[in-house]
Amino acid sequence: DGGITQSPKYLFRKEGQNVTLSCEQNLNHDAMYWYRQDPGQGLRLIYYSQIVNDFQKGDIAEGYSVSREKKESFPLTVTSAQKNPTAFYLCASRAASTDTQYFGPGTRLTVL
Amino acid sequence: KQEVTQIPAALSVPEGENLVLNCSFTDSAIYNLQWFRQDPGKGLTSLLLIQSSQREQTSGRLNASLDKSSGRSTLYIAASQPGDSATYLCAVRTLSGGSYIPTFGRGTSLIVHP
Repeated sequence: DGGITQSPKYLFRKEGQNVTLSCEQNLNHDAMYWYRQDPGQGLRLIYYSQIVNDFQKGDIAEGYSVSREKKESFPLTVTSAQKNPTAFYLCASRAASTDTQYFGPGTRLTVL
Repeated sequence: KQEVTQIPAALSVPEGENLVLNCSFTDSAIYNLQWFRQDPGKGLTSLLLIQSSQREQTSGRLNASLDKSSGRSTLYIAASQPGDSATYLCAVRTLSGGSYIPTFGRGTSLIVHP
């Protein structure tokens, strides 16, 4: 069963802690994306990767970091430098053949 | 910088109505436009993708049109059903810094009541 998995579904963080959100895909897609969604808002692009070992900043990269060591995996770290990290985080990949983006189920991060 | 606007922000209709959701964008030099559906607390599900060279795409009761020159797309839902209740988002891919980057609208929240 092909798709995108994100874990955990819910994550709680204390102020000053770094946390890492997992994103794994078995769709054999080269391109992967991380978005942030706040209530009543559209999705805002944090980072994207077109190919393994390469990634680019999106519109709101400050306070976040990523890695792309394997095609299947694109983890996102929310650092203590991110001042307002409470949000819903969505990972996506894009099929090169159809240009369609596919999304994971999301991780809801709450800072306590 | 590309900006995407979706109107209306919310819509409530009785079951069976045909309805139109609107998406407008400021930079007409897009690569493609994609419509998504999002249920509360869930990820996005792709509905339709229109390449910049295309005028429309259809899937079942859904029809999406694209007028690139005027910076507009519409999603037409025929014979709406309560199961269509969700938030509908559009996203355009535009060239930025050497890559085609997606920009999303804020979505239209649709309620179809029996």
